[in-house]
Amino acid sequence: EDKVVQSPLSLVVHEGDTVTLNCSYEVTNFRSLLWYKQEKKAPTFLFMLTSSGIEKKSGRLSSILDKKELFSILNITATQTGDSAIYLCAVVPNQAGTALIFGKGTTLSVSS
Amino acid sequence: DGGITQSPKYLFRKEGQNVTLSCEQNLNHDAMYWYRQDPGQGLRLIYYSQIVNDFQKGDIAEGYSVSREKKESFPLTVTSAQKNPTAFYLCASSSGQGFYGYTFGSGTRLTVV
Repeated sequence: EDKVVQSPLSLVVHEGDTVTLNCSYEVTNFRSLLWYKQEKKAPTFLFMLTSSGIEKKSGRLSSILDKKELFSILNITATQTGDSAIYLCAVVPNQAGTALIFGKGTTLSVSS
Repeated sequence: DGGITQSPKYLFRKEGQNVTLSCEQNLNHDAMYWYRQDPGQGLRLIYYSQIVNDFQKGDIAEGYSVSREKKESFPLTVTSAQKNPTAFYLCASSSGQGFYGYTFGSGTRLTVV
């Protein structure tokens, strides 16, 4: 059975800390991996990762994929209270007629 | 502006009643999806549709029903057979097979009273 596992499930840090969120997967036909941020309602897209070892970066956020070891990490440096959210990892199967496979998410709380 | 609209944002239902959640998109996307989100559970797939008049069950379809009569619309009915319907429901859409991810609506929070 295909699955995506995120860790930790929840995390509390202080402003200015650096955090690393993990996502491992076991998916039969892997195409790509996506990261989303969900603050209150609609998840918003952060990154799409397709190739191993190529870092995607946007401001203080960065992510990388390891297709050999079947995992991805999302790094957030110099965290701010606005980074408090649920971070969702999803795998896109390379198979017609299927849907994204989501992990349970990591709830990040940044205190001031 | 293109997007997905879910309504209502908050919904209260008495036990034993069916209720329908609306999802409309003007992105011209072929595929639409319904997810349920409970605390600590991530997103669990209820139903999805990749073409008008066709849909497939997801992982937790029991107690739910859908229709896809128009490309723009994918309503979800929560029936009285759903034992624990209180949750946050998210609708999403994608072009083609969704290989580039989904666009999400803002969700409907359903509470059974």
